[in-house]
Amino acid sequence: QMQLVESGGGVVQPGGSLRLSCAASGFTFSNYAMHWVRQAPGKGLEWVALILYDGSSEYYGDSVKGRFTISRDNSENTLYLQMNSLRPEDTAVYYCAKERRGYYPEYWGQGTLVTVSS
Amino acid sequence: DIQLTQSPSFLSASVGDSVTITCRASQGISSSLAWCQQKPGKAPNLLIYAAYTLQSGVPSRFSGSGSGTEFTLTIRSLQPEDSATYYCQQLNTSPYTFGQGTKLEIK
Repeated sequence: QMQLVESGGGVVQPGGSLRLSCAASGFTFSNYAMHWVRQAPGKGLEWVALILYDGSSEYYGDSVKGRFTISRDNSENTLYLQMNSLRPEDTAVYYCAKERRGYYPEYWGQGTLVTVSS
Repeated sequence: DIQLTQSPSFLSASVGDSVTITCRASQGISSSLAWCQQKPGKAPNLLIYAAYTLQSGVPSRFSGSGSGTEFTLTIRSLQPEDSATYYCQQLNTSPYTFGQGTKLEIK
């Protein structure tokens, strides 16, 4: 069955970097665009980034543009989120999600927690 | 950026009731709207996409409507398991923004 497993979360100091991974299985990863979405503690969902199925285009939310980079390795069925210049307000659970055609986030992983704190 | 405003922010209803949640977009987004449900401590779950298309496996008591700037999610014959927070999201133009959420309590 379809599975998305995020990893790489943890505690990092402000200004630091972290790379999240999302391992996909149970579907043809290279056929689908993928999202990152985050949720700060007790808050709503915030869209972070999208990458097209072949990695040819990337899109970002305003709050992460220029600091975060989404990428993918279709040979390894893995999605990444490189996060630089981290701020306390980046503290959140980060989810990866597979699109349904039209970019609709259809299937979500269980999330990985990133805490930015000194 | 396109802003999505959901109303109400909180809703309390009884088992068997029907409820409607509204999502208004700051500019037209055609039918490029999704609704998802999130229960505490869990990942979101897609309910409706393209404004009114029911995702596979989602009970038919959930329905969506609207286009342009105004959309609704209706849940008929509420069940206890419908207690959750509901979000709309526009997929028309990046950044693909979410509404602020509507928390539904089942009395």
